Amino acid sequence: GESVGLHLPTLSVQEGDNSIINCAYSNSASDYFIWYKQESGKGPQFIIDIRSNMDKRQGQRVTVLLNKTVKHLSLQIAATQPGDSAVYFCAESEGGSEKLVFGKGTKLTVNP
Amino acid sequence: DTAVSQTPKYLVTQMGNDKSIKCEQNLGHDTMYWYKQDSKKFLKIMFSYNNKELIINETVPNRFSPKSPDKAHLNLHINSLELGDSAVYFCASSQARPAHAGELFFGEGSRLTVL
Repeated sequence: GESVGLHLPTLSVQEGDNSIINCAYSNSASDYFIWYKQESGKGPQFIIDIRSNMDKRQGQRVTVLLNKTVKHLSLQIAATQPGDSAVYFCAESEGGSEKLVFGKGTKLTVNP
Repeated sequence: DTAVSQTPKYLVTQMGNDKSIKCEQNLGHDTMYWYKQDSKKFLKIMFSYNNKELIINETVPNRFSPKSPDKAHLNLHINSLELGDSAVYFCASSQARPAHAGELFFGEGSRLTVL
């Protein structure tokens, strides 16, 4: 079956730097994408979402970019803080599907 | 007030036993889910219920049986536990159906260890 994956399993950045977490997806029919953050010992929390009719969406300190041509999704975190340390998941859904399919996750470590 | 609450948070049991994990949401959502997260952090959907009706049933052994007594509750019962069932089980809910119409709200997880 088709799946969502990540380029890098771990990412380490310095506090204050910008972080970029990448995600590749293979289902060309996917039209909705979400980024989740999971802190240690907790459940995933919604960060930001984007639909396929957009290529960029901004939130507070976060930006999601969608490149449908190469089926690539990225999450940019500006001025990364220690509290941003977590595992980040991208997830995708195909129009009409009941399912949200999660990628494997990237562990972000922010060094003070 | 916890939006999605699961009990127990930790569960250690022997192979062959039967156990249940309970989930309740106070968000007024119509759709609830069970996800399994393995040791590599991979999250995979198991079941989804919309207003007490089963709408997703992934390829899960029939030892796993979800039960939704009402739309605010979705419990997971596991029979004849096996070592491979060890994982963190997350309950989640969403306001909209299908899932891609809105975010999922997750509980804190229930870590099951089968010895």
